[in-house]
Amino acid sequence: SQQGEEDPQALSIQEGENATMNCSYKTSINNLQWYRQNSGRGLVHLILIRSNEREKHSGRLRVTLDTSKKSSSLLITASRAADTASYFCATWGGSFQKLVFGTGTRLLVSP
Amino acid sequence: NAGVTQTPKFRVLKTGQSMTLLCAQDMNHEYMYWYRQDPGMGLRLIHYSVGEGTTAKGEVPDGYNVSRLKKQNFLLGLESAAPSQTSVYFCASRHNLAGDQETQYFGPGTRLLVL
Repeated sequence: SQQGEEDPQALSIQEGENATMNCSYKTSINNLQWYRQNSGRGLVHLILIRSNEREKHSGRLRVTLDTSKKSSSLLITASRAADTASYFCATWGGSFQKLVFGTGTRLLVSP
Repeated sequence: NAGVTQTPKFRVLKTGQSMTLLCAQDMNHEYMYWYRQDPGMGLRLIHYSVGEGTTAKGEVPDGYNVSRLKKQNFLLGLESAAPSQTSVYFCASRHNLAGDQETQYFGPGTRLLVL
């Protein structure tokens, strides 16, 4: 079963706007990761946030983590058409041997 | 470095045929994974390997077999393909140096259509 559930399933915005997507997970975690998948390609790691961190930044990305609510959010600021992709959260399951991915948020950024 | 590569990129099979998908990585990673991705289902883990000569079942292993005879290669086999195995298959790999701080590297995917 999926550990993470992203919300919304799909998001459509204009270039320059901010995009926020959320991830909820079920069990306690040591860290949570976000990945991006461009259409027809493999996933690419974006950012990792540890369970003792509340917020982390990387360029135009901002990730927050609320372990009490078992949720995380990914904010992309000043979005660009090139940000069009699917975004997945992932957490470790089973002795840190395997990542479990959510169902993803499809982001469409229109010029 | 080529990273993670997958062969073939696309394949059409008839029901009952067999085939092997090859994943290769040149990063000396210990762990390797096979996922399938279907619309609305996200990525589901089929099998994985924590080292040469070892394999383990993931979330959806039925109908698939795997082998890790060499550290750099991870093969996924379909003995008797079924239409339900139509999907996009992704291979991934990672180190095991930093435990849960490690991230996975993905291949470009193999599109499989079973008629």
